[in-house]
Amino acid sequence: EVKLLESGGGLVQPGGSMRLSCAASGFTFTDFYMNWIRQPAGKAPEWLGFIRNKANGYTTEYNPSVKGRFTISRDNTQNMLYLQMNTLRAEDTATYYCGYYGPSGDYWGQGVMVTVSS
Amino acid sequence: DVVMTQTPVSLSVAIGQPASISCKSSQSLVGTSGKTYLNWLLQRPGQSPKRLIYLVSKLDSGIPDRFSGSGSETDFTLKISRVEADDLGVYYCLQGTHFPLTFGSGTKLEIK
Repeated sequence: EVKLLESGGGLVQPGGSMRLSCAASGFTFTDFYMNWIRQPAGKAPEWLGFIRNKANGYTTEYNPSVKGRFTISRDNTQNMLYLQMNTLRAEDTATYYCGYYGPSGDYWGQGVMVTVSS
Repeated sequence: DVVMTQTPVSLSVAIGQPASISCKSSQSLVGTSGKTYLNWLLQRPGQSPKRLIYLVSKLDSGIPDRFSGSGSETDFTLKISRVEADDLGVYYCLQGTHFPLTFGSGTKLEIK
């Protein structure tokens, strides 16, 4: 069974940093591109970026809206995905999801809330 | 960025009746491979989004054939032939052809 479990969210002050983690199990982690999306309350999701699979050298792509502030990385020995977020702003407040698109559909975690506020 | 415009914003449909959602993109979604990376997702209340359809019209595993997708270039449609209670939630289109990937603003389906 595929499982994706995000952690590391909470309250952070504007200008601060936070690292989200995503623990993956139930599939061959290195075979898949891993994505981060976020969703402010009551709004549409926003794609943040992905990190490619082993066959594609684990390279990354980012949404320009977060490029330079957010970094996606993975630890393939631990089946972990990360989202390092720096210089956080109020508009980064959202629920953050990790996920991937597999051969029989997509899989997403339950999400973790990040609140940027003083 | 490619802008995805969904209509209507909401719709109320009785059980057993059809429903239709439109999604228009600000530029063609035909990729260099010739494939069109247009997806439809459903987000049920309190859940993460879940893809229903990819490549315009291909149903994901386990998705009933009451759902269908059609369209080309910049104009796409999701149809539900007979709405069931489990279909309520917010539907999003998502384009994967151009970076950054972008979502539509959503269509909320309520059961009448």
